[in-house]
Amino acid sequence: AQSVTQLDSQVPVFEEAPVELRCNYSSSVSVYLFWYVQYPNQGLQLLLKYLSGSTLVKGINGFEAEFNKSQTSFHLRKPSVHISDTAEYFCAVSTNTGFQKLVFGTGTRLLVSP
Amino acid sequence: NAGVTQTPKFQVLKTGQSMTLQCAQDMNHNSMYWYRQDPGMGLRLIYYSASEGTTDKGEVPNGYNVSRLNKREFSLRLESAAPSQTSVYFCASSSTGEASYEQYFGPGTRLTVT
Repeated sequence: AQSVTQLDSQVPVFEEAPVELRCNYSSSVSVYLFWYVQYPNQGLQLLLKYLSGSTLVKGINGFEAEFNKSQTSFHLRKPSVHISDTAEYFCAVSTNTGFQKLVFGTGTRLLVSP
Repeated sequence: NAGVTQTPKFQVLKTGQSMTLQCAQDMNHNSMYWYRQDPGMGLRLIYYSASEGTTDKGEVPNGYNVSRLNKREFSLRLESAAPSQTSVYFCASSSTGEASYEQYFGPGTRLTVT
């Protein structure tokens, strides 16, 4: 079975500062990794995904993430955040065989202030 | 193209009442999912339907039933609501093949059971 740990429940940051949201996963088999974003009172939308190939993945809105197999991590980064990035961010994992079901982390709330 | 739609947006039930949450997608996706979102717990899979005509239990199926009415529609039924089922419910859908790794989410239904 797979599991995802997001250690930071909330990350406050000032506008235009860099940010890193941490995600670690556990799995006995190869996995695919995802970051989803949830804006207030909305559903989730995909930010980026790692399936294979380059370990540095770029997504929408200037976000990127790096897959590190040895550290079982998939941290999300943005070099300069905006007020509009205030949202909850979920890391998710699925196996790369069979029917893919996502397992979500508990989420990290990013709070960007002026 | 509305994507994934859910009805109702809000619902208040008394303990023991029943209700059905409706979900429809217009993206011709084969797979559909029901999740619940609780504070500090991320999203947990209740049931999923890999393809029309099939349904399977997810992580937290107790107290729920589902129906894949056709390719577009996937409903979630609470037969006898309990306060522990107070949550936000999300429906999602995905296609098959490599594109199945992206799930598209509806706006959610906020359910309160008193």
